[in-house]
Amino acid sequence: GNSVTQMEGPVTLSEEAFLTINCTYTATGYPSLFWYVQYPGEGLQLLLKATKADDKGSNKGFEATYRKETTSFHLEKGSVQVSDSAVYFCALNLPTGGGNKLTFGTGTQLKVEL
Amino acid sequence: DVKVTQSSRYLVKRTGEKVFLECVQDMDHENMFWYRQDPGLGLRLIYFSYDVKMKEKGDIPEGYSVSREKKERFSLILESASTNQTSMYLCASSLSRTGGTYGYTFGSGTRLTVV
Repeated sequence: GNSVTQMEGPVTLSEEAFLTINCTYTATGYPSLFWYVQYPGEGLQLLLKATKADDKGSNKGFEATYRKETTSFHLEKGSVQVSDSAVYFCALNLPTGGGNKLTFGTGTQLKVEL
Repeated sequence: DVKVTQSSRYLVKRTGEKVFLECVQDMDHENMFWYRQDPGLGLRLIYFSYDVKMKEKGDIPEGYSVSREKKERFSLILESASTNQTSMYLCASSLSRTGGTYGYTFGSGTRLTVV
């Protein structure tokens, strides 16, 4: 079946540090890939997405590139801020006869300190 | 912007009670979903629906049921609440039945505590 594996958290960084959160996936076919962010006490928000190989999704300084050869979609940001502290979820979507269900990773908590 | 509204942010219920969690979306989305979120387990799909009066089981449907009488509303029902159903419940909706290029829009979540 389809699955998403994310690096374990929490990840603790100092402000302005470089961020990488690893995400790899297993899927039959050609999924779309997503990163969602969940700020404390809130629901999930779509951060960025990529729908085919070599696409780069970007938003709010975050980037992720769809790498088919390594089945990865790692999230990066060049300089994190305290306000980026949140839980980040990688997800994939494979169109099936029954519709577009998202498969999520377990989430990675990011803590950014001054 | 699409809005997905969950009726309660926090709920406390007693063991054995019948509990209704309501979710409403305002952008005519066909698809609606209920997840529960638990530490270390991520999001797990309980039920989903692609159309009015249509429902399908997700990965963990036991102890839950759903109702979709109108396109904009998707209700999650805990028939007899138990302490192991204490969790954060997230509702989501999406536009496209196929294609896979659309993400979900989530509500803010309902934190349910069963005592």
